[in-house]
Amino acid sequence: GAGVSQSPSNKVTEKGKDVELRCDPISGHTALYWYRQSLGQGLEFLIYFQGNSAPDKSGLPSDRFSAERTGGSVSTLTIQRTQQEDSAVYLCASSPRLAAQYFGPGTRLTVL
Amino acid sequence: ELKVEQNPLFLSMQEGKNYTIYCNYSTTSDRLYWYRQDPGKSLESLFVLLSNGAVKQEGRLMASLDTKARLSTLHITAAVHDLSATYFCAVSNFGNEKLTFGTGTRLTIIP
Repeated sequence: GAGVSQSPSNKVTEKGKDVELRCDPISGHTALYWYRQSLGQGLEFLIYFQGNSAPDKSGLPSDRFSAERTGGSVSTLTIQRTQQEDSAVYLCASSPRLAAQYFGPGTRLTVL
Repeated sequence: ELKVEQNPLFLSMQEGKNYTIYCNYSTTSDRLYWYRQDPGKSLESLFVLLSNGAVKQEGRLMASLDTKARLSTLHITAAVHDLSATYFCAVSNFGNEKLTFGTGTRLTIIP
């Protein structure tokens, strides 16, 4: 079956621009997660959506980062006024409740 | 704050040899995961360990969990080249499923 998909696969942007990253989770998965992976920081949790509950935003590094999940399915991660330190691979994952998370291929973000 | 440490960070081993990767975590947790990542690729789930003493095996990989010691191990038996990858352990806290990842172990199998 279809796995988690993310778009775009690569994004190059200029410092100060806003970017939107999209995640399509596996159908029927109630939980959706965003992580980022960078050389300096490893794999970091960003935000977690579970069903209709309020999202856990505890991992968002600044108020320039936000995410939403529409209709319990597709999610968009938005980074405003991008900085060079935002350069990383942004990974989305989804899971049924209390199960292993399935990761998408990631979006490689480069901020020039 | 939950912290997860893996060692070693880098591991080169010859084909046919056995070795173990260690994952320590700092606070009690209800679930431990092992993932594999190939270069330029995303994360692939290998094992989910749910209880003390849990042991799971898939091919040449075996994972175990000791919740009292807050330690998980990933044992590689008779390594083959296609096991070369980076292996991550990750832990979730009770009641919250977000994952805290270890630093990863980059495994290289040498012919």
